[in-house]
Amino acid sequence: KQEVTQIPAALSVPEGENLVLNCSFTDSAIYNLQWFRQDPGKGLTSLLLIQSSQREQTSGRLNASLDKSSGRSTLYIAASQPGDSATYLCAVTDGTYKYIFGTGTRLKVLA
Amino acid sequence: DADVTQTPRNRITKTGKRIMLECSQTKGHDRMYWYRQDPGLGLRLIYYSFDVKDINKGEISDGYSVSRQAQAKFSLSLESAIPNQTALYFCATSDSLGQQYSGANVLTFGAGSRLTVL
Repeated sequence: KQEVTQIPAALSVPEGENLVLNCSFTDSAIYNLQWFRQDPGKGLTSLLLIQSSQREQTSGRLNASLDKSSGRSTLYIAASQPGDSATYLCAVTDGTYKYIFGTGTRLKVLA
Repeated sequence: DADVTQTPRNRITKTGKRIMLECSQTKGHDRMYWYRQDPGLGLRLIYYSFDVKDINKGEISDGYSVSRQAQAKFSLSLESAIPNQTALYFCATSDSLGQQYSGANVLTFGAGSRLTVL
């Protein structure tokens, strides 16, 4: 059974710092991995999707990497800003209806 | 306009009442999903549909039903609401394209419907 873990559960950093969020999964047979951002009480916004054949994806200050063999993905945020404060979730799918979500990392960027 | 629209955004109701949450999408996606989110439990799948005639139960379907009225519309019903159905409900969509297509397989969420059952 696929399990997705995100560590740490919460993170507080000063503005301007580069940071890394971690996502681990137990079954390497994934179809893709997706990173989301969720603001309190709001919906999930897709940030990056990495297909199983890819190693990384970049969007602006965000870079996500995927290492299927070790069951890990990282989301790198460069030059963090207070507006980056949110909960970040990762999800993996095997290409069917199943999307397995982590419980997220709650990020707070201090001005 | 949002790609995935959920209505209502907030609803307070009483135990035993019938509630319908609606979802419509302009993404042209064939797959639609209903999830609920509870603090500490993450996102759990209630129902999913791969097309109008293909509807399936997820991991927590008891007490819920759905209807796929059209490719773009997927509604969730609580026939007789109970307090432990108080949660944030999300509709989501995805396509079934292969990985070779740019932007394929992105799971897109609505803004959520917060339901409180008293």
